[in-house]
Amino acid sequence: EAGVAQSPRYKIIEKRQSVAFWCNPISGHATLYWYQQILGQGPKLLIQFQNNGVVDDSQLPKDRFSAERLKGVDSTLKIQPAKLEDSAVYLCASSLSRVGAELFFGEGSRLTVL
Amino acid sequence: RKEVEQDPGPFNVPEGATVAFNCTYSNSASQSFFWYRQDCRKEPKLLMSVYSSGNEDGRFTAQLNRASQYISLLIRDSKLSDSATYLCVVTQYNFNKFYFGSGTKLNVKP
Repeated sequence: EAGVAQSPRYKIIEKRQSVAFWCNPISGHATLYWYQQILGQGPKLLIQFQNNGVVDDSQLPKDRFSAERLKGVDSTLKIQPAKLEDSAVYLCASSLSRVGAELFFGEGSRLTVL
Repeated sequence: RKEVEQDPGPFNVPEGATVAFNCTYSNSASQSFFWYRQDCRKEPKLLMSVYSSGNEDGRFTAQLNRASQYISLLIRDSKLSDSATYLCVVTQYNFNKFYFGSGTKLNVKP
């Protein structure tokens, strides 16, 4: 079974530039999550989708971050303009929408903002 | 207050030692509990689910105490390969939200 796919794996940009990350979840997983993980910290939820609807985006810095999940399958996360503090690993994860379902992660996209 | 709190460590132990981690959660409505393992520069992966009755998988034992709202992970006979960060995760059934602790770092030394 194919896992969660993410791209690009690495990205280096200068502050105020823009960047986009892509995620394709495991087939059949209705719930998709984007997490931000800063070195030494646990993953922090940015946004959660159920099919193509947003369930929770309360911690998404909406002045610079946006995300969409058109057609309820793959998703993109965009940052514009980037700040130095956005340097982190952006993890996409997916799960089945049932009680006790496991969360599966992609390998992550490591962003460095200079 | 954070949803999930863990001691960040690091826990430095010799091979063969027994080590235990605890984690506390703030929301009594939390329903599912997990331990995830994260190796350096890798994504988190499920280590084990935690059930009310406690569960064991080889050298790993997980316990849940709902009254005190804490979860524990016990690792017996530590191996060098157990060196990683262990993330405590709880979920709430409103749309399957997963809340992560900050992780506990384990270093197993020869």
